Amino acid sequence: AQKVTQAQTEISVVEKEDVTLDCVYETRDTTYYLFWYKQPPSGELVFLIRRNSFDEQNEISGRYSWNFQKSTSSFNFTITASQVVDSAVYFCALSEAQRAQGGSEKLVFGKGTKLTVNP
Amino acid sequence: DAGITQSPRHKVTETGTPVTLRCHQTENHRYMYWYRQDPGHGLRLIHYSYGVKDTDKGEVSDGYSVSRSKTEDFLLTLESATSSQTSVYFCAIRDTVFYGYTFGSGTRLTVV
Repeated sequence: AQKVTQAQTEISVVEKEDVTLDCVYETRDTTYYLFWYKQPPSGELVFLIRRNSFDEQNEISGRYSWNFQKSTSSFNFTITASQVVDSAVYFCALSEAQRAQGGSEKLVFGKGTKLTVNP
Repeated sequence: DAGITQSPRHKVTETGTPVTLRCHQTENHRYMYWYRQDPGHGLRLIHYSYGVKDTDKGEVSDGYSVSRSKTEDFLLTLESATSSQTSVYFCAIRDTVFYGYTFGSGTRLTVV
């Protein structure tokens, strides 16, 4: 069964600090997708990134970067020079790839990491 | 915007009453999901659908039922609401082209 672990329940940093959010996953599939979502205090779920299991290249988007390592089953998220607007709950999630027989393609979430960035 | 709306956005109901939450999409996506979000648990899958009249259970399906008679609508019903079902409910659709999941704005349900 799929499982996503976000060991950090809460993190508090001061503005401009770099912060890394950890995500470790378990799956028996060789093909899968990993996601990060942001949930700001307003409550909506905002998609940040999707990575498939065949693409281990790290990705950078502005102040955000992601490190995918299949060898350690990790998909960590780093915010560089954090800002108060980064304060949110961040979720890592895992989905199996589509199956020809109509697999569920369930998206399984970690429990989230609450990030607070203080001015 | 993926065109997914949830209704109602907020609801307060009494224990023992039936409640139906609606998820509506405008883009003909095959896969739809219902999640609940509770502190300390993240989002947990209740039920999902992979087509009209095709549904299956998630990890926390007890006390819930779903129906999908049209592609665009996925209904979640609490047959007899209990206080443990007080939660925020999210609907999601899966885009088969870009393989992304898009979530509705959520329904905050309080059972008193």
